[in-house]
Amino acid sequence: AQKVTQAQTEISVVEKEDVTLDCVYETRDTTYYLFWYKQPPSGELVFLIRRNSFDEQNEISGRYSWNFQKSTSSFNFTITASQVVDSAVYFCALMRGRRALTFGSGTRLQVQP
Amino acid sequence: EAGVAQSPRYKIIEKRQSVAFWCNPISGHATLYWYQQILGQGPKLLIQFQNNGVVDDSQLPKDRFSAERLKGVDSTLKIQPAKLEDSAVYLCASSLDWAGVSYEQYFGPGTRLTVT
Repeated sequence: AQKVTQAQTEISVVEKEDVTLDCVYETRDTTYYLFWYKQPPSGELVFLIRRNSFDEQNEISGRYSWNFQKSTSSFNFTITASQVVDSAVYFCALMRGRRALTFGSGTRLQVQP
Repeated sequence: EAGVAQSPRYKIIEKRQSVAFWCNPISGHATLYWYQQILGQGPKLLIQFQNNGVVDDSQLPKDRFSAERLKGVDSTLKIQPAKLEDSAVYLCASSLDWAGVSYEQYFGPGTRLTVT
């Protein structure tokens, strides 16, 4: 069985603060994919990143960075210098093979001006 | 490139009534998914199609939910009869191909269903 845990239900920060969203996953598969999606108030899920289980390199994209550690089954997401537009619900998800996504329960991020 | 289209965007029905949702995936995408997202939770898969065949419907409440994918393109999801606990956002997503390089799923805006 697959499971994704996002223990942080809600995080509130002040603009320009750095914030890290935690994601811990469980799977028995050796080949899998991890994702982060953003869900702004409009409701549409926006794809942010995909990593496969064989690539543990960290990735940086602008103010966003991701830290994948197989040893701890974690795939954490950091926003540097947060902005009000980053306010949204963020979902971590796991995919086995070419199947559907298993989502975590999400972390609501509120960035105060 | 046009995204995943869904209609209607909102629907309010009474319990025991029927409702249908429509999804048009991105052109050329062979795989289509329906997810249910209850308020405060992450989306949960209801059914996955590959072209017009069902890949996974293990979490679809088949006594009341049904889905089809017409000619491997558009899809409809139906609930009959609806229960209060079906109140949720129903998300449609599509991805390129079963054997394709791209695993990204692209989501539509969703249909928000309220059952009273």
